[in-house]
Amino acid sequence: ETGVTQTPRHLVMGMTNKKSLKCEQHLGHNAMYWYKQSAKKPLELMFVYSLEERVENNSVPSRFSPECPNSSHLFLHLHTLQPEDSALYLCASSLQGQGDEQYFGPGTRLTVT
Amino acid sequence: AQTVTQSQPEMSVQEAETVTLSCTYDTSENNYYLFWYKQPPSRQMILVIRQEAYKQQNATENRFSVNFQKAAKSFSLKISDSQLGDTAMYFCAFMKPRGGLYAGGTSYGKLTFGQGTILTVHP
Repeated sequence: ETGVTQTPRHLVMGMTNKKSLKCEQHLGHNAMYWYKQSAKKPLELMFVYSLEERVENNSVPSRFSPECPNSSHLFLHLHTLQPEDSALYLCASSLQGQGDEQYFGPGTRLTVT
Repeated sequence: AQTVTQSQPEMSVQEAETVTLSCTYDTSENNYYLFWYKQPPSRQMILVIRQEAYKQQNATENRFSVNFQKAAKSFSLKISDSQLGDTAMYFCAFMKPRGGLYAGGTSYGKLTFGQGTILTVHP
């Protein structure tokens, strides 16, 4: 379970705060993903980075800003969030050309107050 | 667009018994991948089993096996000899084959998930 790590594991923030979620993968993968998991809804893909380039942005509001400085690290910068943004945010990584199986981190439980 | 449906929000089974989780999907693709992921209460999503659509043989991983019915677009997961550690949320997922950028495809595999089934194994 240490292949993909996420920090922090829990985060409570006010609507005017700015915070960042961090994801790190130790698997030598070259694609990284952010997902949002809300109660009673399927996982929603937010962003994809492939070879450090953003290749997908699934109509995510601009208050979520991803950053991928290298193939091992992925950030999600948060600002002026809404209470409905409270959810579990999952990071995943995969190695292209190897079945594209995605390996997930433990997630960050975000609560917006 | 692909859709994945898991019609059982919750299931329960006695320890050592067998349980089957259902999954159906909708796609016009002929070649694709299907996955079952497990998310225990500790929240780390773990890959359980993977099936390539071009393979007729059902995938098996120890106590976990699938019944892949391509014509019916059905992909059920069977868990044999259920254990307490199998208690988790189970997600079925579909992946369209990754195509090269120059072929008009994407450079990564995009997963579409079902809503999940909460499985509880009772002692």
